[in-house]
Amino acid sequence: GENVEQHPSTLSVQEGDSAVIKCTYSDSASNYFPWYKQELGKGPQLIIDIRSNVGEKKDQRIAVTLNKTAKHFSLHITETQPEDSAVYFCAAERGSQGNLIFGKGTKLSVKP
Amino acid sequence: KAGVTQTPRYLIKTRGQQVTLSCSPISGHRSVSWYQQTPGQGLQFLFEYFSETQRNKGNFPGRFSGRQFSNSRSEMNVSTLELGDSALYLCASSSAEYGYTFGSGTRLTVV
Repeated sequence: GENVEQHPSTLSVQEGDSAVIKCTYSDSASNYFPWYKQELGKGPQLIIDIRSNVGEKKDQRIAVTLNKTAKHFSLHITETQPEDSAVYFCAAERGSQGNLIFGKGTKLSVKP
Repeated sequence: KAGVTQTPRYLIKTRGQQVTLSCSPISGHRSVSWYQQTPGQGLQFLFEYFSETQRNKGNFPGRFSGRQFSNSRSEMNVSTLELGDSALYLCASSSAEYGYTFGSGTRLTVV
C-alpha cells in the first residue's frame, strides 16, 4: 500500500543552525504535502504545506521543497530556536480521497 | 475562528467496554477524519466522513466505527475495548483551502 518514509527519526542541532527533514512517498496520485509540528500533550499543528504545482514554498524561517519526479519533499528550518524543539511529521494526501498518510516523525531537539 | 474541538480529553476504560469520542469541526468544514496515534505505529488513518457519508476507511477492525451528523459534528465508537486500543485519537477537519486542522485529541487508556 501507499506509505511515507521520513528521515531522520531524531535530529539534534545547536540554536541558530539549520535543520532538514526529508520524506519520500509512494502514491503517484498524491498532490498535497503538509508538515505538522506536535508538542507534548497537543495535537499536530500545521506549519507549512505544498501542492504539487509548485516546487518550493517559504514562510519566514520555514521552507518546503518538493521533487514530484523523485517523490521527495523536505522541510528546512533556518536559524533554529529552542522553541522549535518538537516532533515533526510529514504527510501526503492519498490521491484525492480525503486522508493523510504520515511519516513516522522526527524528534527535533534544539540546544541553547 | 474556533478550532477543532474534541471531547473528552482523557478517558480510562476497562477491557470489554465500549467508548464514544466526539469531534466538532471548524465551522464550514464538511470533511472530518479520524486518526489513531500510538508510539509504535505512529499516526494511522481510521475513517473519513463528508456530508454524513463515510468516504474512506483505514485498516482497522469493525470494532471501530463512526458517524457524522448534519451539523458536521462526528463521533467515533470503539466496542469491546482491548488493551491495544490505548492511544491518542485525533480528529481533523479539512477544506480544500485550508488543508487538515487537527484537534488536541482524546487520550484513551484501556486497563
